[in-house]
Amino acid sequence: QSALTQPPSASGSPGQSVTISCTGTSSDVGGYNYVSWYQQHPGKAPRLMIYEVTKRPSGVPDRFSGSKSGSTASLTVSGLQAEDEADYYCASYAGGHMGVFGTGTKVTVL
Amino acid sequence: EVQLVQSGAEVKKPGESLKISCQGSGYSFTTSWIGWVRQMPGKGLEWMGIIFPDDSDTIYSPSFQGQVTISADKSISTAYLQWSSLRASDTAMYYCARSPYRGAFAASCTFDNWGQGTLVAVSS
Repeated sequence: QSALTQPPSASGSPGQSVTISCTGTSSDVGGYNYVSWYQQHPGKAPRLMIYEVTKRPSGVPDRFSGSKSGSTASLTVSGLQAEDEADYYCASYAGGHMGVFGTGTKVTVL
Repeated sequence: EVQLVQSGAEVKKPGESLKISCQGSGYSFTTSWIGWVRQMPGKGLEWMGIIFPDDSDTIYSPSFQGQVTISADKSISTAYLQWSSLRASDTAMYYCARSPYRGAFAASCTFDNWGQGTLVAVSS
């Protein structure tokens, strides 16, 4: 399965919002409501931020939200804070009980 | 508290074999899928495969099928990732991660707890 497509970078000033897209196909993102988002700071393990397209695990700020339209999922970070500067990866069920990650987006807080 | 503790960093030569581990605690190890994820230096996350420790049902990404072996020993709550003949291109950080789901659909992309990572360096 091919990696899901994300923009390489995104940025915003503190307090602003940034939205990251994750584009797949009808065989992955578009076919199932199993899309997750992960945050990864340099040298750290990834952290689950969103699962099943829109759900937030406990402990994740409500500034993080997810959505999906067709074969494109999105992660929106509202009220950007300095600690939100990180790499973000989407992931989706890809059929055959397999998963696939996105190419990753580096978010910079200006 | 759910914890996944991975084995330490490894430095190996091409052609050597290797088995790295991931020990889970704080939850029912046998009824949660464990996944393995590769991250090559400066690159993104790659889904390698998942295993259900209770019956060792294992699913591989086509990209990694035949290149690695994923296994688990439920008696000691430990999952493994192994290579029979390492290549320089296997140099990467490898993460194990737990899914809270029993069903493979959701488990394939939902990992709520991650190990600290095992760095594997392969060089002659």
